Amino acid sequence: AQSVAQPEDQVNVAEGNPLTVKCTYSVSGNPYLFWYVQYPNRGLQFLLKYITGDNLVKGSYGFEAEFNKSQTSFHLKKPSALVSDSALYFCAVRDLYSGNTPLVFGKGTRLSVIA
Amino acid sequence: KAGVTQTPRYLIKTRGQQVTLSCSPISGHRSVSWYQQTPGQGLQFLFEYFSETQRNKGNFPGRFSGRQFSNSRSEMNVSTLELGDSALYLCASTETSGSPNEQFFGPGTRLTVL
Repeated sequence: AQSVAQPEDQVNVAEGNPLTVKCTYSVSGNPYLFWYVQYPNRGLQFLLKYITGDNLVKGSYGFEAEFNKSQTSFHLKKPSALVSDSALYFCAVRDLYSGNTPLVFGKGTRLSVIA
Repeated sequence: KAGVTQTPRYLIKTRGQQVTLSCSPISGHRSVSWYQQTPGQGLQFLFEYFSETQRNKGNFPGRFSGRQFSNSRSEMNVSTLELGDSALYLCASTETSGSPNEQFFGPGTRLTVL
């Protein structure tokens, strides 16, 4: 069965500093990996995805993520955090070779960027 | 293109009642998935519909049901509401089922059970 772990419930970072939100996954085959962001009282917004190819994926709002197959990780990063990046971030995985399985989400990491 | 819409945005019900939530996907999207979001559990998958057929079902009791219409709009129903059903219910649409395409989420319906 596929699963996602976001080991940190909360990440605090000062504005202008680099940020990292961690995600590890478990699938039996090859993964599709996604990052979503949720602002208060809103649905989830897609940030970026890894399907295949380059391990470094660039997405919306200056975010990027690096796929590391040996460490089964897909950490979300941004070189310089903004206060407006404060939100709830979700990592999600789908197993490429397990047929029509649903997307599985982590429990989310709350990012707080302090001015 | 209009985004995913969900109605109503807020609902207050009492235990034992039933509720129906509606989701209209992005035009052209034929797959609709439903999720329950609670602070402690994150996003829990409820079910997915594609072309009016349920493709996947999560680990929820039979009180939770859904359907999809020929225009791809979807409804989910929760019968005999319990306090623990209080949550944000999100629906998401994508063009096809099981694809690598990202899902597009609606704003959610906030259900409060008293």
